[in-house]
Amino acid sequence: DSGVTQTPKHLITATGQRVTLRCSPRSGDLSVYWYQQSLDQGLQFLIQYYNGEERAKGNILERFSAQQFPDLHSELNLSSLELGDSALYFCASSPRDRGNRYEQYFGPGTRLTVT
Amino acid sequence: QQQVKQSPQSLIVQKGGISIINCAYENTAFDYFPWYQQFPGKGPALLIAIRPDVSEKKEGRFTISFNKSAKQFSLHIMDSQPGDSATYFCAAMEKAAGNKLTFGGGTRVLVKP
Repeated sequence: DSGVTQTPKHLITATGQRVTLRCSPRSGDLSVYWYQQSLDQGLQFLIQYYNGEERAKGNILERFSAQQFPDLHSELNLSSLELGDSALYFCASSPRDRGNRYEQYFGPGTRLTVT
Repeated sequence: QQQVKQSPQSLIVQKGGISIINCAYENTAFDYFPWYQQFPGKGPALLIAIRPDVSEKKEGRFTISFNKSAKQFSLHIMDSQPGDSATYFCAAMEKAAGNKLTFGGGTRVLVKP
């Protein structure tokens, strides 16, 4: 158990809908990362937040957005869902101390199925 | 554009044998190289990581070898056990460009008893 929690574990929704995925980082971690894992694209970085501010952006679609709240939990919002958005979505967090800040610890993921 | 290429895609090894997974990268600015282990239905778990100024790092049965000039690095799993059966991902990070990880395609390892 990495200490990163994600809810829900599974999500089934229809095309065109909007969903919100939630992540709580490990206690004390300020950075949160979102990744998408699909069969055709593999594991891809979406976006990073550090203490409430966006720090880095990857191949995140304009239909997707994220935020990190003052209590450090993060939400990934996916809208106008398409069949191709079906994937596993992982959240990761990293320690704030300088020696380990590049280590990323992944949560159990949310499996999104768009029908 | 695949910045980190991983091979093989799958690997079968006998219990007690050595599993070897290779990765090659293109971006010479990458300066942190972790390996992750993922079991079905779980998130990737950090296994071991190396910096480019080190040629080898060992933690228990897991060893990373790093060849900076060839832009290659590999994971060796010594004395492979059935419990090591999982998918392994190499990754790379350019620290100055943000802490995003670029992953290889993954290697599914099956250790036969």
